[in-house]
Amino acid sequence: DIQMTQSPSSVSASIGDRVTITCRASQGISSWLAWYQQKPGKAPNLLIHSASSLQSGVPSRFSGSGSGTDFTLTISSLQPEDFATYYCQQASSFPYTFGQGTRLEI
Amino acid sequence: QVQLVQSGAEVKKPGSSVKVSCKASGGTFTTYAISWVRQAPGQGLEWMGSIIPMFGTPNYAPKLQGRVTITADESTSTGYMELSSLRSEDTALYYCARQGGPGNAFEIWGEGTRVTVSS
Repeated sequence: DIQMTQSPSSVSASIGDRVTITCRASQGISSWLAWYQQKPGKAPNLLIHSASSLQSGVPSRFSGSGSGTDFTLTISSLQPEDFATYYCQQASSFPYTFGQGTRLEI
Repeated sequence: QVQLVQSGAEVKKPGSSVKVSCKASGGTFTTYAISWVRQAPGQGLEWMGSIIPMFGTPNYAPKLQGRVTITADESTSTGYMELSSLRSEDTALYYCARQGGPGNAFEIWGEGTRVTVSS
C-alpha cells in the first residue's frame, strides 16, 4: 500500500494568513493526488485534483503543487470558512489511501 | 447535477451484516466508479473499495477483503456496500463517492450513512 503522510497534523492560524500543508507519498504517484476539505458533520469536499488543478467552484485562494512523492496545499489568505480538516489522497493505485488529516484551527 | 443519496442510519449487533445503498440521480451512473469511504468517530478517511457499474468487477481494500461486498444495479443507478461479521470497530460514517473525472478524484459525495455496531 502507498502510505500518505501529512504535516502538520494540526495548525493554528489567523484570518488573512497564508497556510501550507504538506503531503508525502511513500512511493511515486506522479500527479495522482487530490486534496479535500471536511467540515464537522459534513462529507469531504474536493478542492484540488491532479495535484494542482482547482476543482470547479473552489475559490482561487486554494492551490496545489508537487509531483512524484511531495505535494503541498496552500491557502493564500485564510477566510473564516476555511477552518476545517484537510486530507490528501492518492489516486495512483489500489488501495487508494488518504493522509491522516490536518486540522486547521483559529 | 449528479447527486448521491444514501440509505438511512443503521444499528447492528456484533457478528451481523449491514447493507448500505447509494442512489445516483441527475447524471451518468454506469461509466463512473463508485467508491465507499468510511470514517470512524473522530478519525480520518478510509477507502473500502470501488466498482465501475458497467464493468461490475470491484476492487477492495486488503484490510476488508472477505468482509466487504460492493455491487451496483445499473437499472436503478444504485450502488451497494455490504459489510459482514460486524464488530464495534466498524462503527463509522459510511460515504459513497463518485470518481472518474479528471485526476480520478472523489468529486461527488453522498451525505453519509451512520452505522453503529453495539450489543
